[in-house]
Amino acid sequence: GENVEQHPSTLSVQEGDSAVIKCTYSDSASNYFPWYKQELGKRPQLIIDIRSNVGEKKDQRIAVTLNKTAKHFSLHITETQPEDSAVYFCAAQREGSGSARQLTFGSGTQLTVLP
Amino acid sequence: NAGVTQTPKFRILKIGQSMTLQCTQDMNHNYMYWYRQDPGMGLKLIYYSVGAGITDKGEVPNGYNVSRSTTEDFPLRLELAAPSQTSVYFCASRYAGRNYGYTFGSGTRLTVV
Repeated sequence: GENVEQHPSTLSVQEGDSAVIKCTYSDSASNYFPWYKQELGKRPQLIIDIRSNVGEKKDQRIAVTLNKTAKHFSLHITETQPEDSAVYFCAAQREGSGSARQLTFGSGTQLTVLP
Repeated sequence: NAGVTQTPKFRILKIGQSMTLQCTQDMNHNYMYWYRQDPGMGLKLIYYSVGAGITDKGEVPNGYNVSRSTTEDFPLRLELAAPSQTSVYFCASRYAGRNYGYTFGSGTRLTVV
């Protein structure tokens, strides 16, 4: 099955700096890569996703890049703000039958933005 | 449109007790999932369903059961609760078809003492 590794597990940045979180996946057939943000005590919420037919996607201060050859994708947050502090999860999925219909999550990154 | 609704939000069980965690969605999503999240950890899949009458095991199914009699509802049953089942449980759903993200419920925080 799919295995997703996420680094770093914790990340502290100064307000206004950029933050980068990296994930690798094992299943070369995976073709959908969402990122979720989970604030303390809240549910995970989708913040951005990318499909395997594109290499980069941007939404305001958030961007995701995908390198299919290296089986690697990353989340980039620019001009970080205190409200960006949360746990971020990457995930991977491929369409198909059986277990392919589920997302496999990384272990999460606790991002802290210091004022 | 309420999205994914989970009940209860909190529950304390004694060892050996049983309970059902409820999950319902009003988005006509075919796929539904149950995950558990232990403190400081990621999400582990317990069970999932691709439609009414169809369920399958995930990564950590032992000690749990599910049913899917309707498209809207996907209850999770805990039999003989154990301290190892202390966790936060999230239900999620999505459309069938190509690459749709999950919508998560607000979670159930379960403590087994």
